[in-house]
Amino acid sequence: GQNIDQPTEMTATEGAIVQINCTYQTSGFNGLFWYQQHAGEAPTFLSYNVLDGLEEKGRFSSFLSRSKGYSYLLLKELQMKDSASYLCAVRPGPYGQNFVFGPGTRLSVLP
Amino acid sequence: SQTIHQWPATLVQPVGSPLSLECTVEGTSNPNLYWYRQAAGRGLQLLFYSVGIGQISSEVPQNLSASRPQDRQFILSSKKLLLSDSGFYLCAWSFATLEGETQYFGPGTRLLVL
Repeated sequence: GQNIDQPTEMTATEGAIVQINCTYQTSGFNGLFWYQQHAGEAPTFLSYNVLDGLEEKGRFSSFLSRSKGYSYLLLKELQMKDSASYLCAVRPGPYGQNFVFGPGTRLSVLP
Repeated sequence: SQTIHQWPATLVQPVGSPLSLECTVEGTSNPNLYWYRQAAGRGLQLLFYSVGIGQISSEVPQNLSASRPQDRQFILSSKKLLLSDSGFYLCAWSFATLEGETQYFGPGTRLLVL
């Protein structure tokens, strides 16, 4: 089966740094994705990791360890607009077209 | 650039009525297309995906069906809606490149079945 785990909720302060973890157990691996979803809106793509290591994109960075089945999304210099759900997703393999999504982590940024 | 459209944005339907949600993609050819449902406060549930015209794979048995009559058109249907069909329906597309394959979502349709 396919399973992705994330913390349900997190709270952080404006200007701080927060790390959102994701662990996965899937039948295969062909990439890990992070999406941001504001309440009532569709998810928007943030990052993609297929090799081990850190990918940095402005205030957001994503890390992957394939041997550990682990990823994290790092948000720096938090802003109020970063309050949203963050979804971790894995594409199990190149021959299946489906993506497996985690339950999402709801992040609240407080002033 | 690629864009994805969904309509309607919101829909209120009585139990037992039919449903038709439409999704179209512009700016790409032969995309993979997906329908997801998200219940309030929950994660994304994959309903259907399609790798080409007329090719539909169903992930969850239910009273919903999907069709792909044209390359960039994906339709979600039901003959008789249930209360449990309420939710946020998202269409997504992806396309394989040398760098990988990423999904991009449409704006979604919020369905309330009463």
